Amino acid sequence: QVVLTQSPSASASLGASVKLTCTLSSEHSTYAIAWHQQQPKKGPRYLMKIDSDGRHTKGDGIPDRFSGSSSGAERFLTISSLQSEDEADYYCQTWAPGIYVFGTGTTVTVL
Amino acid sequence: QVQLVESGGGVVQPGRSLRLSCAASGFTFSSYAVHWARQAPGKGLEWVAVIWYDGRNEYYADSVKGRFTISRDNSKTTLYLQMSSLRAEDTAVYYCARQTDAWGYNYFDYWGQGALVTVSS
Repeated sequence: QVVLTQSPSASASLGASVKLTCTLSSEHSTYAIAWHQQQPKKGPRYLMKIDSDGRHTKGDGIPDRFSGSSSGAERFLTISSLQSEDEADYYCQTWAPGIYVFGTGTTVTVL
Repeated sequence: QVQLVESGGGVVQPGRSLRLSCAASGFTFSSYAVHWARQAPGKGLEWVAVIWYDGRNEYYADSVKGRFTISRDNSKTTLYLQMSSLRAEDTAVYYCARQTDAWGYNYFDYWGQGALVTVSS
């Protein structure tokens, strides 16, 4: 069973950068993942897909300050020039035949 | 633009049934797989079910298998979730989401705003 591990929380100052990590279970280390943002009281929003080689495919209208990368079983989401509207929960997601899995989410606080 | 609008949520007693709908617009509905996912109060996201573009393949999370049925009407560009034998632990906001392609296994690229289902006596 594929498992995605995320830290519960992260914080950074307005205008700074924050890097979120999603770690795949070791036997699934080559899987692609997707990042989704959920602002308070809203439905999720797709940000980007990240392949094992670090290539990423962004969703419509996602600003350039959101970027993705990969290393081994880890998939990263970096948010640069943090804005107040970036304060949200961030979930990673992966998929396999017949199942779809979400990480537990990381809450980003903008200080 | 792509829009997914859920409806049909509400309060229902344990053991009863409820049907959710998701009206899709802004894209060719019949060319995409679509999903239901849910989020219990204060919790994370949980995938519920998927149906492929032509309705011939469906997959379910173990937590709802045998109780929930996903279906679609491509002529009405609408996705459904029939929920039966509801339990307190099914209380959640239910989201519909579009998969990035017609079939197979892939990520979600658009989400709805959600519909709240509360199972309580």
